[in-house]
Amino acid sequence: GAVVSQHPSRVICKSGTSVKIECRSLDFQATTMFWYRQFPKQSLMLMATSNEGSKATYEQGVEKDKFLINHASLTLSTLTVTSAHPEDSSFYICSARDREGTGNQPQHFGDGTRLSIL
Amino acid sequence: GESVGLHLPTLSVQEGDNSIINCAYSNSASDYFIWYKQESGKGPQFIIDIRSNMDKRQGQRVTVLLNKTVKHLSLQIAATQPGDSAVYFCAEKLRSGRRALTFGSGTRLQVQP
Repeated sequence: GAVVSQHPSRVICKSGTSVKIECRSLDFQATTMFWYRQFPKQSLMLMATSNEGSKATYEQGVEKDKFLINHASLTLSTLTVTSAHPEDSSFYICSARDREGTGNQPQHFGDGTRLSIL
Repeated sequence: GESVGLHLPTLSVQEGDNSIINCAYSNSASDYFIWYKQESGKGPQFIIDIRSNMDKRQGQRVTVLLNKTVKHLSLQIAATQPGDSAVYFCAEKLRSGRRALTFGSGTRLQVQP
């Protein structure tokens, strides 16, 4: 089945550090990947849509200069949290959609990155 | 389930019983719905999906029912097992435009052995 790999699984770092999270589709190509954030006991909230070869589309209220997204290939998207602060601590999850799929199809999710900013 | 502050609604069932998890979705323009299961510290795992031109779909031990009139979605799990314990989210996608999913608030399922 379709597999999405996310790395690292956990990051603990000091305030002011920039953190890069990778999302890879392992057995399919994805022209579109999605980045979500999930706070404890809450649902997933879409942050941005990552488009291969073009700029990401950010949801309202998400700072594009704070959360840098790069989708340089059909199997890799990266999210960089720049100058992270404690309020950025959260569970970040990516998902990918198979470019070969037609019509409606489920997104495949990575196992998330737990980011803790001290 | 509806979000109540920071507390997920919880459904507690006995092993072997059937479980029904409910979801009220928000947008009448949504044409595709998915149920995901999320275990602690992991990403959502696909369970079953349904298109808006259907009102029922069955999988292995799971059934999804869609009522577009009242914008309601349910997930039925037959013969619930301890391994089914997790948080369950419904998600919807708009008929046109963006492909991103909008997630519901989630329901925690606890299966008592």
